[in-house]
Amino acid sequence: SQELEQSPQSLIVQEGKNLTINCTSSKTLYGLYWYKQKYGEGLIFLMMLQKGGEEKSHEKITAKLDEKKQQSSLHITASQPSHAGIYLCGADSYNNNDMRFGAGTRLTVKP
Amino acid sequence: DGGITQSPKYLFRKEGQNVTLSCEQNLNHDAMYWYRQDPGQGLRLIYYSQIVNDFQKGDIAEGYSVSREKKESFPLTVTSAQKNPTAFYLCASIDIQGWSGYTFGSGTRLTVV
Repeated sequence: SQELEQSPQSLIVQEGKNLTINCTSSKTLYGLYWYKQKYGEGLIFLMMLQKGGEEKSHEKITAKLDEKKQQSSLHITASQPSHAGIYLCGADSYNNNDMRFGAGTRLTVKP
Repeated sequence: DGGITQSPKYLFRKEGQNVTLSCEQNLNHDAMYWYRQDPGQGLRLIYYSQIVNDFQKGDIAEGYSVSREKKESFPLTVTSAQKNPTAFYLCASIDIQGWSGYTFGSGTRLTVV
């Protein structure tokens, strides 16, 4: 199965600051997903990356997958309190829909 | 609107009892999943099913059982063999023929009392 390491474990930023969350795998990533979770709730899908070098953006959030397909980053520009929550990366193994997750990054945005 | 419904939202269980968590989807998704989340941790895969009447163990299947008699339903039973069942349980589904991403339910919080 895929083992994903996320960093940092937690992050506290001032509103308006940029931030980056990383997700690293020892194996090639096939289908890398980013989700956001509010405490005690389900997961909200943010983005999915499949190709090496791929980059996707939605509003102020940009996700990238490196060329080797072993590392992904999630970048938030001009953070807002609404960005606060737990960010999780997940990945499928090759040719299989069996998503495993990283441990998550807890983001706090101070007004 | 299509989605995944998990019930109940909160569940209390006495030690030694089996309890079943419900997960129903009306998205016509082929595959369904159960994850467990402990405080401050990510999600761990318990069981998944990619087709009716078939399912596979995930990484932490011991003490759990599932069934997939209908495409729409994937109930999870937490048995008395699960030594530390208190956790947040999330159900998910995906259309493996097309691509619409994994959709998650809102979760069930199970507490052993």
